[in-house]
Amino acid sequence: RKEVEQDPGPFNVPEGATVAFNCTYSNSASQSFFWYRQDCRKEPKLLMSVYSSGNEDGRFTAQLNRASQYISLLIRDSKLSDSATYLCVVYTGGFKTIFGAGTRLFVKA
Amino acid sequence: NAGVTQTPKFRILKIGQSMTLQCTQDMNHNYMYWYRQDPGMGLKLIYYSVGAGITDKGEVPNGYNVSRSTTEDFPLRLELAAPSQTSVYFCASTIQGGGNTIYFGEGSWLTVV
Repeated sequence: RKEVEQDPGPFNVPEGATVAFNCTYSNSASQSFFWYRQDCRKEPKLLMSVYSSGNEDGRFTAQLNRASQYISLLIRDSKLSDSATYLCVVYTGGFKTIFGAGTRLFVKA
Repeated sequence: NAGVTQTPKFRILKIGQSMTLQCTQDMNHNYMYWYRQDPGMGLKLIYYSVGAGITDKGEVPNGYNVSRSTTEDFPLRLELAAPSQTSVYFCASTIQGGGNTIYFGEGSWLTVV
């Protein structure tokens, strides 16, 4: 079983749609959780951290369910510029940060 | 603010050749990393460093070496290149461990033929 698993997609959605990504992790002792965004042929960049109580940043909402060991990202009112790969990232302690393989999103006009 | 800078951006190597990927950061970060990213796969940690003079292996260190003589620089050496090392390489840094934001360089596309 992979330490961090994501649906690879791609998710093809029209502009204005709401789309949700899920991610599961295997290490119950994982400490911190993040979503990174990676544009085509670019480096990953932090999108947002994920807190136990859930958190929002504009059109983006992240949720963490420690009991079920999954993380979600909800994007509302999708824009063309949201097209990217979204990486689920889990910090398990020490030097160990695990990156998921990513979920690809295409937003169409 | 330059952040993390890595060179070269693209390189084609022949099997058996060696090369060094350069990485420097100007954020005074203690932790530095080298990852590789293969198509459809997550980032895999090659080596990491928690400070000048201290390096350690990550998940996939075979065929690579690193050094950390200064806080700023963390070069990655590929010895005896093999086709399996064809990948995108990212250098990254963070102020310390503990799940802080990881800042990446723009990536180096390496092809071994």
